[in-house]
Amino acid sequence: GNSVTQMEGPVTLSEEAFLTINCTYTATGYPSLFWYVQYPGEGLQLLLKATKADDKGSNKGFEATYRKETTSFHLEKGSVQVSDSAVYFCVHASGGSYIPTFGRGTSLIVHP
Amino acid sequence: GAGVSQSPRYKVAKRGQDVALRCDPISGHVSLFWYQQALGQGPEFLTYFQNEAQLDKSGLPSDRFFAERPEGSVSTLKIQRTQQEDSAVYLCASSSGHNYGYTFGSGTRLTVV
Repeated sequence: GNSVTQMEGPVTLSEEAFLTINCTYTATGYPSLFWYVQYPGEGLQLLLKATKADDKGSNKGFEATYRKETTSFHLEKGSVQVSDSAVYFCVHASGGSYIPTFGRGTSLIVHP
Repeated sequence: GAGVSQSPRYKVAKRGQDVALRCDPISGHVSLFWYQQALGQGPEFLTYFQNEAQLDKSGLPSDRFFAERPEGSVSTLKIQRTQQEDSAVYLCASSSGHNYGYTFGSGTRLTVV
């Protein structure tokens, strides 16, 4: 079945460090891929998306590239800030109904 | 409206009580999804509507869970005879198409005591 695997957290970094959160997926067909973010006490927000192979999604300094050959969609940011502390979810949507399937989430903690 | 609205934000129910959770999607969004999110976990799919048609209910955990969207807009998730294991945040999302992403509401936190 369809699934998403993302690295376990928490990921703890110092401010201005480089961030990578790995995500791989299994899906039928040609999925659309997303990263969602959940800040403390807030709802899920779309961070970025990519809807076809080799697309790069980007927003707020975060980037992720849709790699069909490795079925991956790793999230990266060159220099994290304390305000990036949140839980990040890798999501794919595929099949006829494109129902989003979530990874378990990765907690990011950024220290000053 | 500007976003997906869910009500109530918090609900405390006694075990065995019936509850109804409401979702107001973004106007014009054809697709509507319900999810259950346990503490520290990712959201788990419950059910999916396209307009008023419930096209997938494979994620509903038992026959105590029932969802409807009679006019293709507002949706209600009903849980009958609530149990402690039903305690979770229930999320609603709507979409105008997978290429545009999915907009989530703030959720309803259900606590069964």
